[in-house]
Amino acid sequence: QKEVEQNSGPLSVPEGAIASLNCTYSDRGSQSFFWYRQYSGKSPELIMSIYSNGDKEDGRFTAQLNKASQYVSLLIRDSQPSDSATYLCAALAGYSTLTFGKGTMLLVSP
Amino acid sequence: KAGVTQTPRYLIKTRGQQVTLSCSPISGHRSVSWYQQTPGQGLQFLFEYFSETQRNKGNFPGRFSGRQFSNSRSEMNVSTLELGDSALYLCASSLASGDYGYTFGSGTRLTVV
Repeated sequence: QKEVEQNSGPLSVPEGAIASLNCTYSDRGSQSFFWYRQYSGKSPELIMSIYSNGDKEDGRFTAQLNKASQYVSLLIRDSQPSDSATYLCAALAGYSTLTFGKGTMLLVSP
Repeated sequence: KAGVTQTPRYLIKTRGQQVTLSCSPISGHRSVSWYQQTPGQGLQFLFEYFSETQRNKGNFPGRFSGRQFSNSRSEMNVSTLELGDSALYLCASSLASGDYGYTFGSGTRLTVV
């Protein structure tokens, strides 16, 4: 069974802090990884993708991948209250099937 | 450009009925996937279509089926509805594969009573 595991949270951080979100995956064959943000009552929105070991930065977001440890993380710098949402980690199995974690709820307090 | 469009947004059905949900992908996108989201199970993959062919199927009973038309629009059908089918059904599209991630529609909220 291919699985993606995330801490459900909530992860609470003060405004301006760095939020660190983590996930692990079981399928060593997965090559592509994604972070989606989902606001309450809304659909998931793709915010980051990462395909190779190391870091990938996009604005305030940095995704990190370690295939040897089967570990993916997302760092959000200068967290804002508008970042409060559930963050979903996903691994691509094969070429078209995304396996999602259950998500980590992030709460950023002003 | 227009995003992924799902209709209807909300549905209330009675146990035993069947339901059809519709999804129009982003123009040019040929891969359409369907997911079920519930508070307990999270997002679970139902099936994926590409060029009118089902390429992948998740671990759901045969009551869940889908199809894709030549214009890439897709429908999913659930027959003999059960209370446990109450969920948010999300459609997502991509150009051809999931390599660059999928774009999700707003979803259809199905309530079975």
